[in-house]
Order: sequence, then C-alpha cells, then structure tokens
Amino acid sequence: SQTIHQWPATLVQPVGSPLSLECTVEGTSNPNLYWYRQAAGRGLQLLFYSVGIGQISSEVPQNLSASRPQDRQFILSSKKLLLSDSGFYLCAWSVGTGWVNGYTFGSGTRLTVV
Amino acid sequence: GDSVTQMEGPVTLSEEAFLTINCTYTATGYPSLFWYVQYPGEGLQLLLKATKADDKGSNKGFEATYRKETTSFHLEKGSVQVSDSAVYFCALTPNYGGATNKLIFGTGTLLAVQP
Repeated sequence: SQTIHQWPATLVQPVGSPLSLECTVEGTSNPNLYWYRQAAGRGLQLLFYSVGIGQISSEVPQNLSASRPQDRQFILSSKKLLLSDSGFYLCAWSVGTGWVNGYTFGSGTRLTVV
Repeated sequence: GDSVTQMEGPVTLSEEAFLTINCTYTATGYPSLFWYVQYPGEGLQLLLKATKADDKGSNKGFEATYRKETTSFHLEKGSVQVSDSAVYFCALTPNYGGATNKLIFGTGTLLAVQP
C-alpha cells in the first residue's frame, strides 16, 4: 500500500536559520508531489509541485525552495527563515492527474520561527 | 481562475444536530470535487469525492452532491458527534492541465460539536 512520510512533526527554528523538511512516498512510482502551507487561521496554499525528478514548479514567490533528488523524495528548504515562514507544512502526492482520486497528504510539519 | 468558496466558521452544533457546510465553486469545464477533513494537530484526510454532475459522495455518514446547475457541493450529515469536530475543506481539481492538475482548496470551516 502507498504511504507518505513527513518529518519532523514539529520544529522550532530561529529567524535566519536554514530549513530542510523531507517527504518520502512508498508504494508508488512516478508520483506527482506537492508542498502546501497552512498559515494560522488560514486555508491551504500550494507552494511547489513536481511531476518528476528535478522538475519543480513554484506557485508563489517566497523565501522557500524545493527539490526532488529522487523519484519518491521531495524536500522543502530555506537558506534563511523569516517569521512569516511559520505555519503547518503539508506534503501530498497523487498518481496521474489526481482528478479522480485527489491527493494523499502526509501528517504535516508544524514550523514555528522565533 | 478556478476557486472554491466555503461558508465562514466556526460552526458550533450540539451532538445529534444536522450539519450543513456550504461550498460553491468556480471552474472551467467539469472539475472533480472533494471534501477533506483535518482533525486537530493532524494532516488532511480525504472524506468524500464526486467526479461528475449529480454524483453523490458519501463516507462516515457525511454526504455531498455535485450540483453543476448551482456549482455547489454542500457537505451534510444527519446527526453529528463530538468526534466529528474538525476543520472541513472543500476542494476541486480542474479536469484539464494534464499531470499538473492542482488541488484548489477553500479556506476551511471549523466545526465544533458540543456534547
């Protein structure tokens, strides 16, 4: 069966420090991968998506970047965190278009920048 | 562009009350429609879906019908329980764009069920 792993679950980082969040998928090949952010009291914003190794599309200009070094690995990074980067980060995957089955989400990482 | 509009929360109900959370959408063509649920401190789980007009998605006592004429996908449950307390997200994926179809979310509606 397919599973998605995200870590860490919780992270507190000082302003200006680097960030690396990792997401891996098991049990499927060539998934589409997505990073979403949920800011406090707000909805979900798509940050990045990837349809293959090394292929990253950014939805909004920001302080973050993403990479996909392997088929089932998706990494969210920042060189210097800002206070506004605080939020709940969710990784998701879909096979094909996601039109029929939607996405499967990881359990999320709660990031607090202090 | 494509978008989803949900009713503002929080929605506070007593146990066994009837629930409706309104959701309307704007999209080109025939999107697929979804309801996701987020329990406190957790990620999102798919609750139900519908992929064409007049389809009814159902799961765990929740139902939603894809109404193309009113561009709506309202979530309903006949008798809510305390364990249903969560944030509910309406979402759509357009049926164009190939492999890069994106899941577009509403802002979420917090449901609080009191015993």
